[in-house]
Amino acid sequence: GAGVSQTPSNKVTEKGKYVELRCDPISGHTALYWYRQSLGQGPEFLIYFQGTGAADDSGLPNDRFFAVRPEGSVSTLKIQRTERGDSAVYLCASSGTGTGNTGELFFGEGSRLTVL
Amino acid sequence: DAKTTQPPSMDCAEGRAANLPCNHSTISGNEYVYWYRQIHSQGPQYIIHGLKNNETNEMASLIITEDRKSSTLILPHATLRDTAVYYCIVRSPSTGANSKLTFGKGITLSVRP
Repeated sequence: GAGVSQTPSNKVTEKGKYVELRCDPISGHTALYWYRQSLGQGPEFLIYFQGTGAADDSGLPNDRFFAVRPEGSVSTLKIQRTERGDSAVYLCASSGTGTGNTGELFFGEGSRLTVL
Repeated sequence: DAKTTQPPSMDCAEGRAANLPCNHSTISGNEYVYWYRQIHSQGPQYIIHGLKNNETNEMASLIITEDRKSSTLILPHATLRDTAVYYCIVRSPSTGANSKLTFGKGITLSVRP
């Protein structure tokens, strides 16, 4: 598809388990962002990649959260020892860079994580 | 990035113009004003952005005051499908570590039949 793809769309897990959420950005987009959104709140920034490297990970709440983008395309958000408070919709976005770039972020539909 | 202030909600009648206000009194000279919207259960969608001139595209118009301390997003003929949360965001130029978008709570627009 032409848009940002996120899998799984829904994930239910038990407290203490490990979870991986995947993001396929728009082809050619060098910038990739992870956000999470709790009910009634705006999206909260987690981390931003430029290519393979994390340019800004200031939003990761603690060391249980980690994200990788080894080849500069697909990214995986990893959450260890999940807690009930991690329940949220995790949104991924990508954007292009270079001349003419408007700075627009293209968001996926999100992965809804529920920790029981 | 500068903080923005938006009222929590507003409504308008279908077919009428919806004018969504945003205050950003601490905006810096090189910061852009972006608007996104989020329809229920979907990811945010880009609408429009501007620096100091008014902008218009197929979705909306953006009016920025001369002192740049506030702006208004105008949906000229609101439809029921425009019911969504609208986020006004001030953002540094898209370079380096400052290119993230910082979302507030936004304004919930309800379009009534």
